[in-house]
Amino acid sequence: EVQLVESGGGLVQPGGSLRLSCAASGFTFSSYWMSWVRLRQAPGKGLEWVANIKQDGSEKYYVDSVEGRITISRDNAKNSLFLQMNSLSAEDTAVYYCARTKQDGYSSRYFDYWGQGALVTVSS
Amino acid sequence: SYELTQPPSVSVSPGQTASITCSGHKLGDKYAFWYQQKPGQSPVLIIYLDSKRPSGIPERFSGSNSGNTATLTISGTQAMDEADYYCQAWDSNTYVFGTGTKVTVL
Repeated sequence: EVQLVESGGGLVQPGGSLRLSCAASGFTFSSYWMSWVRLRQAPGKGLEWVANIKQDGSEKYYVDSVEGRITISRDNAKNSLFLQMNSLSAEDTAVYYCARTKQDGYSSRYFDYWGQGALVTVSS
Repeated sequence: SYELTQPPSVSVSPGQTASITCSGHKLGDKYAFWYQQKPGQSPVLIIYLDSKRPSGIPERFSGSNSGNTATLTISGTQAMDEADYYCQAWDSNTYVFGTGTKVTVL
């Protein structure tokens, strides 16, 4: 059974930093792209893809709004995915999900398994 | 940047059919995916590659995609189908989600 378990969420002040972790099990972690997706908590907000990383970590992509502030990484030996978040603002308040990512070909790119999420609240 | 637009809400009576649209420029030239998210739970993939259902997803969920619009159809809607639904596509190295639709079963 595929399992993704996030940890590391919490309350952080504006301008602060936080590191999220995701422990994966039930599949060959090193064979998959992995992503972080967030659900913003503000009214009317929905799902937003944040970042993804290739199987060997050689390619990483980010949504424009987090470029330069957030870094995705992975440790295949420990079946773990990470998200280092710096210079946080209220706009980053969200539930952050770790998601296994399928990339079967051009345009066939989606998320087939999700973790339970980690809440990040940015507030003074 | 690429955008996907969904109606904010759809209401349906139990046993009836609910249709949720997802509009984007030439969306039919891309694959569309659909996720269901119930309050306090993680999103669940319910349709992939326009119209395929993952194992364990009920047959009452179906999808189509043509032109500028992808559509998720829930046939014989049940109370348990009350949730938020998001479409998703991939464009220029970016995973794009739709604005989301809240389905209410009255």
